[in-house]
Amino acid sequence: DSGVTQTPKHLITATGQRVTLRCSPRSGDLSVYWYQQSLDQGLQFLIQYYNGEERAKGNILERFSAQQFPDLHSELNLSSLELGDSALYFCASSDQRAGNTIYFGEGSWLTVV
Amino acid sequence: GNSVTQMEGPVTLSEEAFLTINCTYTATGYPSLFWYVQYPGEGLQLLLKATKADDKGSNKGFEATYRKETTSFHLEKGSVQVSDSAVYFCALRGGGGSQGNLIFGKGTKLSVKP
Repeated sequence: DSGVTQTPKHLITATGQRVTLRCSPRSGDLSVYWYQQSLDQGLQFLIQYYNGEERAKGNILERFSAQQFPDLHSELNLSSLELGDSALYFCASSDQRAGNTIYFGEGSWLTVV
Repeated sequence: GNSVTQMEGPVTLSEEAFLTINCTYTATGYPSLFWYVQYPGEGLQLLLKATKADDKGSNKGFEATYRKETTSFHLEKGSVQVSDSAVYFCALRGGGGSQGNLIFGKGTKLSVKP
């Protein structure tokens, strides 16, 4: 158990819909990261938050947004969903030091039908 | 920018065979290097890491040495088991110009046959 909690574990929704994925980081970790894992794109970094503020942006679509709340949990919002958004979405957390490990949750499987 | 290249899979081995999965990186500065493993149907788990040149990370019989001169971090295990069947990801974090997130290779799928 990494200590990073993600909900829901599985989600099936229709094209055009909007979903929210939730993440609770490990106790004491201020950084939260979101990654997307798909068969064709591999593991793609989406976005990072540190203590409530956006720190880095990767390959995140404009239809996607995220935020980190004062209690440090984070949400990833995916809107106007397309079939190609079907993927495993990972949340991860760490402290900010580069040598320290980034710990991953078990992921949220999103299927868009 | 920083990047990681690892050998393409899939790799199929017999139980007790020797495993090497090659990983090389491109980075400015001095990144930390990681191997993560993803067992079927599960999330990503840290397997081992090394934070500076010549460090050796090890766990569960797996080893990898941070080689700055060859910019490599190859994963090795002397005798694989069926339970090692998984996808292995090499990754780096940090180094010059880094934003602190992990940069992953494409993953190598390992299948071990009894």
